[in-house]
Amino acid sequence: DAGITQSPRYKITETGRQVTLMCHQTWSHSYMFWYRQDLGHGLRLIYYSAAADITDKGEVPDGYVVSRSKTENFPLTLESATRSQTSVYFCASSESQDRTYEQYFGPGTRLTVT
Amino acid sequence: GQNIDQPTEMTATEGAIVQINCTYQTSGFNGLFWYQQHAGEAPTFLSYNVLDGLEEKGRFSSFLSRSKGYSYLLLKELQMKDSASYLCAVRDREGFQKLVFGTGTRLLVSP
Repeated sequence: DAGITQSPRYKITETGRQVTLMCHQTWSHSYMFWYRQDLGHGLRLIYYSAAADITDKGEVPDGYVVSRSKTENFPLTLESATRSQTSVYFCASSESQDRTYEQYFGPGTRLTVT
Repeated sequence: GQNIDQPTEMTATEGAIVQINCTYQTSGFNGLFWYQQHAGEAPTFLSYNVLDGLEEKGRFSSFLSRSKGYSYLLLKELQMKDSASYLCAVRDREGFQKLVFGTGTRLLVSP
């Protein structure tokens, strides 16, 4: 049972480049989320998706693009990376049928923009 | 707006009991979560409260008072492996899955 995976786990890129972070889950969960985690800010929601082809902005969406053509995948693209986007990115999923709607997190991608 | 406050750091001794507080001010409320996050790892679910009172799960308990906008996570019989960050998160509306996280409390357990 693979659960939720992210790739790459580590990425170094240059300012201005486009970067795509991948997220894949094997549970067929309806909801998927992208967070970034920075010291002093905790986890902040970038985008989320309630189902395939349904996405919406979170707290800090500027500079990011998402898509969800298949239930199991939720890629996050940084269109033109900036140093302020250096962070740890976590993908998460949850199932709408679960009472608690507990979110399950992937292992994270550590992104450095130079 | 949303505001969630937790202490930044706490220390405790192995075998002791520690209480991590969380206060919140949100436009709506539909559940409070506690997550544990070890350094360099993903957050993992610990507990969920939506009604007032105490939820117990082994060595961990979580309490909620909706009228006071207050929750705490109680860890008993502390072990070294409990050294981690503890994240408080609030879900602000029924049917919406979005969570708002506090900045987390880093707990250091010493021998």
